[in-house]
Amino acid sequence: GDSVTQTEGQVTVSESKSLIINCTYSTTSIAYPNLFWYVRYPGEGLQLLLKVITAGQKGSSRGFEATYNKETTSFHLQKASVQESDSAVYYCALGDRDYGNEKITFGAGTKLTIKP
Amino acid sequence: GPKVLQIPSHQIIDMGQMVTLNCDPVSNHLYFYWYKQILGQQMEFLVNFYNGKVMEKSKLFKDQFSVERPDGSYFTLKIQPTALEDSAVYFCASSLQDSDYTFGSGTRLLVI
Repeated sequence: GDSVTQTEGQVTVSESKSLIINCTYSTTSIAYPNLFWYVRYPGEGLQLLLKVITAGQKGSSRGFEATYNKETTSFHLQKASVQESDSAVYYCALGDRDYGNEKITFGAGTKLTIKP
Repeated sequence: GPKVLQIPSHQIIDMGQMVTLNCDPVSNHLYFYWYKQILGQQMEFLVNFYNGKVMEKSKLFKDQFSVERPDGSYFTLKIQPTALEDSAVYFCASSLQDSDYTFGSGTRLLVI
């Protein structure tokens, strides 16, 4: 089956410092899955942060970046300088289809806390 | 942006009783999904639904579970009868054929 492994548990970073949340994936259902980072801010629903569907490409949003690396089967999330408003739970995920009806496999989530 | 609404946000129910979780998807979306997240664990796919039919379901989608969307109203997940292990947060999502998911905020179900 498909699986996603990401930095576990909680991560605390000081404001304006850099961040990396690791994510690796494995899949048996599709050679090149779609890769996602989702975010859940306190009190809100799950939102798509960024998505990359082509191996070798980089996605970016709100200062976050992630590169689809098929050699290492990784999709690490990085940000050069975090802000207090980035405090949230981040989920790495993969999707198994190109069009509609996509089934998404999620990682366990990483709770990010930014210290002022 | 458009939202998926889930009703109720919290539900407590006695084991063995029936529960229906309601989802109001984005109005022009065609594909509907339920995911389950047990406390401290990953969100896991339960089922997807298109054109009035279940397209795919996981092994978590037990015989006691059913989904429907009668006449374009709420997309519902019914559990009958409920068991203690059904306690979890259930997330609904919807999408178009070539669009990303829109997730709801979840219904926290506690079976006691």
